[in-house]
Amino acid sequence: DTAVSQTPKYLVTQMGNDKSIKCEQNLGHDTMYWYKQDSKKFLKIMFSYNNKELIINETVPNRFSPKSPDKAHLNLHINSLELGDSAVYFCASSQEWTGNYGYTFGSGTRLTVV
Amino acid sequence: KQEVTQIPAALSVPEGENLVLNCSFTDSAIYNLQWFRQDPGKGLTSLLLIQSSQREQTSGRLNASLDKSSGRSTLYIAASQPGDSATYLCAVSGGYQKVTFGIGTKLQVIP
Repeated sequence: DTAVSQTPKYLVTQMGNDKSIKCEQNLGHDTMYWYKQDSKKFLKIMFSYNNKELIINETVPNRFSPKSPDKAHLNLHINSLELGDSAVYFCASSQEWTGNYGYTFGSGTRLTVV
Repeated sequence: KQEVTQIPAALSVPEGENLVLNCSFTDSAIYNLQWFRQDPGKGLTSLLLIQSSQREQTSGRLNASLDKSSGRSTLYIAASQPGDSATYLCAVSGGYQKVTFGIGTKLQVIP
């Protein structure tokens, strides 16, 4: 199936830990994104990468570090996790960097920091 | 700064009804508007994408319209079914990755 897939689906961890979320797309898209959906259900962009290069880095603590080894993968590493990091994190991709042809989303990773 | 509002926040209808979900946006300089559905604990599924030059898009029982000048879009669902129960999100793109999401309309279709 052509899709955006992210792992793990659920992640429960203690404060202060470091964790990673992986994302892969087999759509042949050039651009990938990380979005955060908070408890109020707002979806906000965190990062976008185009062909492995960082394009957007919104106001996100530098504890969050994206890594794109190739244009089909965009991973998110989070250091020193805090309670406020609890949210659902969505990976997405678009055909090209303008996003003018729409976006495809993964199924999300629900992160709970205890 | 683009702001996207979706009304109503929640909607409950009996099966078989036709219904309309609304999305409004403050900046009419958009490239496209995309409607998604989000099922509990799942990702976003794209329903319809309307380019700024288009007035509407149709897919099955779904029809989305766009009035850029008034900053409005509607998603019309015909003959609603229980399987349509989900949260419907409107996403407005200003191009170049400037996407703003609404908070969604939670739809419940009662059998």
